[in-house]
Amino acid sequence: NAGVTQTPKFRILKIGQSMTLQCTQDMNHNYMYWYRQDPGMGLKLIYYSVGAGITDKGEVPNGYNVSRSTTEDFPLRLELAAPSQTSVYFCASSDLKQGQLNQPQHFGDGTRLSIL
Amino acid sequence: KQEVTQIPAALSVPEGENLVLNCSFTDSAIYNLQWFRQDPGKGLTSLLLIQSSQREQTSGRLNASLDKSSGRSTLYIAASQPGDSATYLCAVSSGNTGKLIFGQGTTLQVKP
Repeated sequence: NAGVTQTPKFRILKIGQSMTLQCTQDMNHNYMYWYRQDPGMGLKLIYYSVGAGITDKGEVPNGYNVSRSTTEDFPLRLELAAPSQTSVYFCASSDLKQGQLNQPQHFGDGTRLSIL
Repeated sequence: KQEVTQIPAALSVPEGENLVLNCSFTDSAIYNLQWFRQDPGKGLTSLLLIQSSQREQTSGRLNASLDKSSGRSTLYIAASQPGDSATYLCAVSSGNTGKLIFGQGTTLQVKP
């Protein structure tokens, strides 16, 4: 099993450009998450999904959009890149089920994004 | 609003020492607390998950404790090794969606 796979690993964007960060997991987990990590800081939740077709905002959703058409994939889209979106982006998944809320999250290796 | 704090931000110890990393949180209404390890340029690896009803969890040389009433958790690393050098993050889950609130992390360096 590959676990959680993120692509690309690195990307440089110009201000105003758009791009999609890809995330796929092969563990059949219903719950998936997008976080960003700024230097010297912990992770902050951008968006999450509890299953295909269901998404919701996290702590810092402005400037981002997500979709969840399949269980495996959870892409994150930046529509108009801004310097404040320079960060490392992590995707995670978890095997949460009703009545079983104590499950660890599994993380991808991240996408390092610079907006210039 | 839940806030998670980790102290110290950085720690350097000689090989073989036992050490303690601290994590505190402001709202005791949590489902669980998780400790992660992050190596440079890599993602997070789950180390231990302590349910709200538990007091501690152990995995090898790692022991994590939870005192929910005081809003504190500690990660104890026994007989530290250079391979333990990494950033350690704690996070709490408060809702039924598994959303995590993270601390800023403690960067550990174990010197040979």
